[in-house]
Amino acid sequence: EAGVVQSPRYKIIEKKQPVAFWCNPISGHNTLYWYLQNLGQGPELLIRYENEEAVDDSQLPKDRFSAERLKGVDSTLKIQPAELGDSAVYLCASSAIGQTYNEQFFGPGTRLTVL
Amino acid sequence: AQSVTQLGSHVSVSEGALVLLRCNYSSSVPPYLFWYVQYPNQGLQLLLKYTSAATLVKGINGFEAEFKKSETSFHLTKPSAHMSDAAEYFCAVSDQTGANNLFFGTGTRLTVIP
Repeated sequence: EAGVVQSPRYKIIEKKQPVAFWCNPISGHNTLYWYLQNLGQGPELLIRYENEEAVDDSQLPKDRFSAERLKGVDSTLKIQPAELGDSAVYLCASSAIGQTYNEQFFGPGTRLTVL
Repeated sequence: AQSVTQLGSHVSVSEGALVLLRCNYSSSVPPYLFWYVQYPNQGLQLLLKYTSAATLVKGINGFEAEFKKSETSFHLTKPSAHMSDAAEYFCAVSDQTGANNLFFGTGTRLTVIP
């Protein structure tokens, strides 16, 4: 079974440029999460989708960040414009609905460097 | 609100020695607790989870953790460290409302000395 796929794995851009990250969750997983992981820190939730609905985006900086999951499968996270402080790893995770606890499966992440 | 505190950002042990990584949680409701491992340039992998069944939880790669409500702790242990255990370890907490949002600690980097 394929895991969570993310691309690109690495991205280097100059500040003020736009950037987008893509995530394809495990087949059949209804819930998709985007996390931000700063260097030396644990992941922090940015947004959670259940199917195509964003059910928790309270931590997403909406002035420059946006996300979509149009068909309830893969998802895109965008930053426009990027700032130096956005340099971090962006993790995507997915889980299935219908269990007492739904284990989250993580992708390898996209490491963003803003110059 | 839920949070976890991991004591010690770096832990070094000799190969074959006991591994002990500390995690204390704060939660206003009964928690679910997790330990994840992250190898360099990889995503997080679930080691084990506590979901209100047995308080002593066994995970993969010989790791286990014990939920102690009186101490609000969920420390991770392994009797004998192996070189392949060198990685970053994260403790996380979730509530039992079904929202499944995870709140992570800052992580502990484990070094295994040959």
